[in-house]
Amino acid sequence: DVKVTQSSRYLVKRTGEKVFLECVQDMDHENMFWYRQDPGLGLRLIYFSYDVKMKEKGDIPEGYSVSREKKERFSLILESASTNQTSMYLCASSLWELGTGELFFGEGSRLTVL
Amino acid sequence: GENVEQHPSTLSVQEGDSAVIKCTYSDSASNYFPWYKQELGKRPQLIIDIRSNVGEKKDQRIAVTLNKTAKHFSLHITETQPEDSAVYFCAAVYTGTASKLTFGTGTRLQVTL
Repeated sequence: DVKVTQSSRYLVKRTGEKVFLECVQDMDHENMFWYRQDPGLGLRLIYFSYDVKMKEKGDIPEGYSVSREKKERFSLILESASTNQTSMYLCASSLWELGTGELFFGEGSRLTVL
Repeated sequence: GENVEQHPSTLSVQEGDSAVIKCTYSDSASNYFPWYKQELGKRPQLIIDIRSNVGEKKDQRIAVTLNKTAKHFSLHITETQPEDSAVYFCAAVYTGTASKLTFGTGTRLQVTL
């Protein structure tokens, strides 16, 4: 059974703080993704990575960066958190490129920026 | 890029009735259409998908239909049960180089007793 684990389920941060969201998968998947989920807006792709040290911008990359130093780990970084980044963040991994096969999601990290 | 519209945003049905959720997409090149279900407080999970070389796919009480000409696809749930209550997301992608899966905005389905 594929397991995608996000390190923090709930975080509260202050405006301007640097925020790290960590994601680890245990199925040796090449492809990993970060999505943001907001009511009425669905799931929007922030960044994805198809290999170690590789990253590609998704649809809403502004204000975010990512790091993939090891195959199993994909981190989302908010360099200077802002209130409009309050959201649910979902990490996913996939055996297939670019979400063309099943995406396995983590349980999400709900971030509140005050 | 691809744009996926999903309707309705909320849907309430009585147990045992059928539910239909519809999505339209803009990129005629899109050829893979998955549906994800997200129960309250849980992670989204794939429930069914369809590729553009078929018009319909069934899996027990759920089915997906695809109309490539009209660029729309639908999820059909028959004999709904309380455990079908969830948010459902459709998505579309062209499975070529540098493509990205685009999700619809979600439909909250409530199955009432």
